[in-house]
Amino acid sequence: EVQLVESGGVVVQPGGSLRLSCAATGFTFDGYTMNWVRQAPGKGLEWVSLINWDGGRTYYADSVKGRFTISRDNNKNSLYLQMNSLRTEDTALYYCAKDMGITTVLDYWGQGTLVTVSS
Amino acid sequence: DIQMTQSPSSLSASVGDRVTITCRASQGISNYLAWYQQKPGKVPKLLIYAASTLQSGVPSRFSGSGSGTDFTLIISSLQPEDVATYYCQKYNTAPRTFGQGTKVEVK
Repeated sequence: EVQLVESGGVVVQPGGSLRLSCAATGFTFDGYTMNWVRQAPGKGLEWVSLINWDGGRTYYADSVKGRFTISRDNNKNSLYLQMNSLRTEDTALYYCAKDMGITTVLDYWGQGTLVTVSS
Repeated sequence: DIQMTQSPSSLSASVGDRVTITCRASQGISNYLAWYQQKPGKVPKLLIYAASTLQSGVPSRFSGSGSGTDFTLIISSLQPEDVATYYCQKYNTAPRTFGQGTKVEVK
């Protein structure tokens, strides 16, 4: 059974940094592109970033480019999101999501980890 | 970047009604369009990909169509368990933008 478990969400001050983690089980982690998607309280889904199977290609939403860094450790079956220069508008539930493989849609999602940026 | 616009933002329909949600891309995306369902307090769930391919396990009352810039999600007979917000997403290239969502309620 595919499981994605996010962690690392906390309350942080504006300008601060945070690293989110996503532990993956139940599938061959290094065979799939992985994503981060966020959802601000009461708002819609916002795609944040993706990383291909070996970490050689990464992409970001304009809203986080230059501040966030996605990475992965295939030996640990883990996905990460380093978040720097945090802003109040980064407050959201952050989901880790797996690409389907045969096509690049998101077929499994974690339960999310809540990041609150507030002074 | 390509923008995704859904309409309506919300709708209320009766059980058994046919419900139509549209998604428009600001540029052509071929059929690289997915639909997700997010029930209140739950994680998003993949419904349809490649504009019209039903994900395994999704009820057949859901269907999708379209290509290029205009896409449609249809619920042929609305059920109480379909109360949710529905999102389209383009996935041909990054950024993989979502639409703003359509909230579906039952009268």
